Amino acid sequence: EDQVTQSPEALRLQEGESSSLNCSYTVSGLRGLFWYRQDPGKGPEFLFTLYSAGEEKEKESLKATLTKKESFLHITAPKPEDSATYLCAVGTSNTGKLIFGQGTTLQVKP
Amino acid sequence: DGGITQSPKYLFRKEGQNVTLSCEQNLNHDAMYWYRQDPGQGLRLIYYSQIVNDFQKGDIAEGYSVSREKKESFPLTVTSAQKNPTAFYLCASSRGLGYEQYFGPGTRLTVT
Repeated sequence: EDQVTQSPEALRLQEGESSSLNCSYTVSGLRGLFWYRQDPGKGPEFLFTLYSAGEEKEKESLKATLTKKESFLHITAPKPEDSATYLCAVGTSNTGKLIFGQGTTLQVKP
Repeated sequence: DGGITQSPKYLFRKEGQNVTLSCEQNLNHDAMYWYRQDPGQGLRLIYYSQIVNDFQKGDIAEGYSVSREKKESFPLTVTSAQKNPTAFYLCASSRGLGYEQYFGPGTRLTVT
């Protein structure tokens, strides 16, 4: 069964304290892995697409990496404005639908 | 600006009434989707459409209906048959199935 699991569920960091969020997946055919940021009461905002193991993408303080089993979202020197829920999703080649993880809620304290 | 619009932002209805949520996109995307988000449950797919005049049930389609008469529009009707309609509803679009999806701002529906 296709599945996406994110950990931890919640993460509290001090401003400037770097960390990583994990997204583990099992899927019959990976079409792509997607990261989103969601602020409370708003729609998810697209961040990255990763297609193959070894691929990396960067945007400001965020860096996403991909292996055959998992993806990491590395947050370098986070600021309070980085506080949000980060969602991971995988696209399957057999159905084309996206399977979303439950998300990691990040809180960065000043 | 290209994007997805959903209206209204907040919607209140009495139990037993049907209600239609609007979703419009000007990204020229072929595929459109409706999700429901409840606290602690993540995003669940209600319906999706690959092209105009075609749509498929997602994982939780019971009590919902959709239409896709225009490429830009994908309205969702929440019928009185939906047992727990109170939720945050999100519309999304993509250039095709399996590609990155772009989301609208969402509609929060409250049924009492």
